[in-house]
Amino acid sequence: EVQLVESGGGLVQPGGSLRLSCAASGFTFSSYWMHWVRQVPGKGLEWVSRINSDGSSTSYADSVKGQFTVSRDNAKNTLYLQMNSLSAEDTAVYFCARDGVVGAHGDWFDPWGQGTLVTVSS
Amino acid sequence: DIQMTQSPSSVSASVGDRVTITCRASQGIYSWLAWYQQKPGKAPKLLIYATSNLQSGVPSRFSGSGSGTDFTLTISSLQPEDCATYFCQQSHITPPTFGQGTRLEIK
Repeated sequence: EVQLVESGGGLVQPGGSLRLSCAASGFTFSSYWMHWVRQVPGKGLEWVSRINSDGSSTSYADSVKGQFTVSRDNAKNTLYLQMNSLSAEDTAVYFCARDGVVGAHGDWFDPWGQGTLVTVSS
Repeated sequence: DIQMTQSPSSVSASVGDRVTITCRASQGIYSWLAWYQQKPGKAPKLLIYATSNLQSGVPSRFSGSGSGTDFTLTISSLQPEDCATYFCQQSHITPPTFGQGTRLEIK
């Protein structure tokens, strides 16, 4: 069974940092581009970042560029999101998601992890 | 960024009804459109990709159509388990962007 499990969310003070992890199983992780998408509870979805299959290429939403860093460890089947200089506007549920296309970026997302809540508050 | 606009924002329908949700892109996206279903407290689930391709395991009552800027998700015969929020998403140009969602309720 294909599975993505996020961890690392929690309460952090403004200006703080957090690193999210996404453990993948049930598929050949190194063959897929991966994404982070976030959702303010009760609101819409915002794509955050993507990374290619070998980790050599990344893209970010303008809202997080220079603030967040996506990376992956294919030996550990794990995706990461390093989030720095956090503000209240970054409060959201963060989902990792697999790209819908093997070996390339189709930029649709399937499946998604269950999400991890990041709350930025003093 | 490409703006995606869904209509209606919410809809209420009866079991067995045909339901249509529309998504409009601010510029042409060819057929690079996906649809997701999200139930409360759950992650989104891919229903359709590239406008009309049904994801494996998704019931055939779901279908998608359109091209360019105007797209439609249709549920041919609404079932109780279809109560959810539906999002469209363009995958033509980075950044991928989503519609604001359509909340579907069962009467």
